Amino acid sequence: DQQVKQNSPSLSVQEGRISILNCDYTNSMFDYFLWYKKYPAEGPTFLISISSIKDKNEDGRFTVFLNKSAKHLSLHIVPSQPGDSAVYFCAASAAANAGNMLTFGGGTRLMVKP
Amino acid sequence: DTAVSQTPKYLVTQMGNDKSIKCEQNLGHDTMYWYKQDSKKFLKIMFSYNNKELIINETVPNRFSPKSPDKAHLNLHINSLELGDSAVYFCASSQGTGGEAFFGQGTRLTVV
Repeated sequence: DQQVKQNSPSLSVQEGRISILNCDYTNSMFDYFLWYKKYPAEGPTFLISISSIKDKNEDGRFTVFLNKSAKHLSLHIVPSQPGDSAVYFCAASAAANAGNMLTFGGGTRLMVKP
Repeated sequence: DTAVSQTPKYLVTQMGNDKSIKCEQNLGHDTMYWYKQDSKKFLKIMFSYNNKELIINETVPNRFSPKSPDKAHLNLHINSLELGDSAVYFCASSQGTGGEAFFGQGTRLTVV
């Protein structure tokens, strides 16, 4: 049973345009959400996070939006660059759960075309 | 200087063997993890460990066991390897709870 879902396995955008990656979750206990970026043959790299007490967090070209009522979050990248081409994983954790373990979505492969 | 490093990067072994994957972090974090990325590319938690407690994902077979000689190391031992154990295994660490985890580069295990 997937508690974190990324329904789009891939996304292709033109350089300079906006990339929007989506993520849905089912566990209402999740209170901290993260996005990771992964290149082939490397480990996931932390990108940006958001606490459930916020609805938006911005860091440079990256913005994460959280809609708790819809149990939905999204990552906006603007402007998109070819170097952003990678697999993006959404992850969630719950402070109530022991161990601070992350539950990951299945990933979305982003391709930014020059 | 690599923050979370794991060795080896590639491991090919026969069914039935016992193997270990080593992980070290130099971030001073107090919690370490092992994650498994299966053939469908899903990343799933296997263990969470700090100096106080080990949290085990109930779906992990008891052939898998984490060993922590000290706070900076969390090694993964796998006994009686099976074909289905083939995957990429990632070590990670974090400081406390609620913070982001930093991942190693992964170990691709192939059981033949």
